[in-house]
Amino acid sequence: QVQFIQSGAEVKKPGASVKVSCKASGNTFTNFHLHWVRQAPGQGLEWMALINPTYGATAYAQKFLGRVSVTWDTSTSTVNMDLSSLTSKDTAVYYCAASNGWYAVFEQWGQGTLVTVSS
Amino acid sequence: QSVLTQPPSVSGTPGQGVTISCSGSFSNIGSNTVNWFQQLPGTAPKLLIYTSDQRPSGVPDRFSGSKSGTSASLAISGLQSEDEADYYCATWDDTLKGWVFGGGTKLTVL
Repeated sequence: QVQFIQSGAEVKKPGASVKVSCKASGNTFTNFHLHWVRQAPGQGLEWMALINPTYGATAYAQKFLGRVSVTWDTSTSTVNMDLSSLTSKDTAVYYCAASNGWYAVFEQWGQGTLVTVSS
Repeated sequence: QSVLTQPPSVSGTPGQGVTISCSGSFSNIGSNTVNWFQQLPGTAPKLLIYTSDQRPSGVPDRFSGSKSGTSASLAISGLQSEDEADYYCATWDDTLKGWVFGGGTKLTVL
């Protein structure tokens, strides 16, 4: 079974950018679509973005347009999520989650990456 | 506030049943199937129900889902202490062109 391993925790200053990675181990990666979902401390889940690694097609939540970018690195079979212009409100656990299609539900989740934004 | 509306909390005693509601609109629940996630403290969410009423392998049949119009429900029968968790509904929104979640419901087993 495919597992999704995320990069480690990050601490960033306001105004900076962060890159969080999600690497699949096991089966072929490009059959999946990868989503990014975040959860601020004590808050609910918030969908951010989606990528189809096969075609590079992406979709972003309106809230994050212009500030988030999701890319697929073929050489390392890794999906990267870049979030810029960080504020304290971006402090959250960021999860990658895989689905079998654009409109299919995310069945498998990464372990989560804590991003802390603090001066 | 979340696009999908869930009650903040529900509670029940062991052996009882509870229902968690999820209310949306035509562009999301009204046009697409609903999925439910269970999140235990300190862990990643786990898929509980997909396409409104299907259970992934390994999910007990005590959990069931339904959808009618622009609302969906998650029913849990025979409550157990290990069911104490946060539950989220989620679906695709045709207008927003993205996935949307409910605000989450905390289930307490008294």
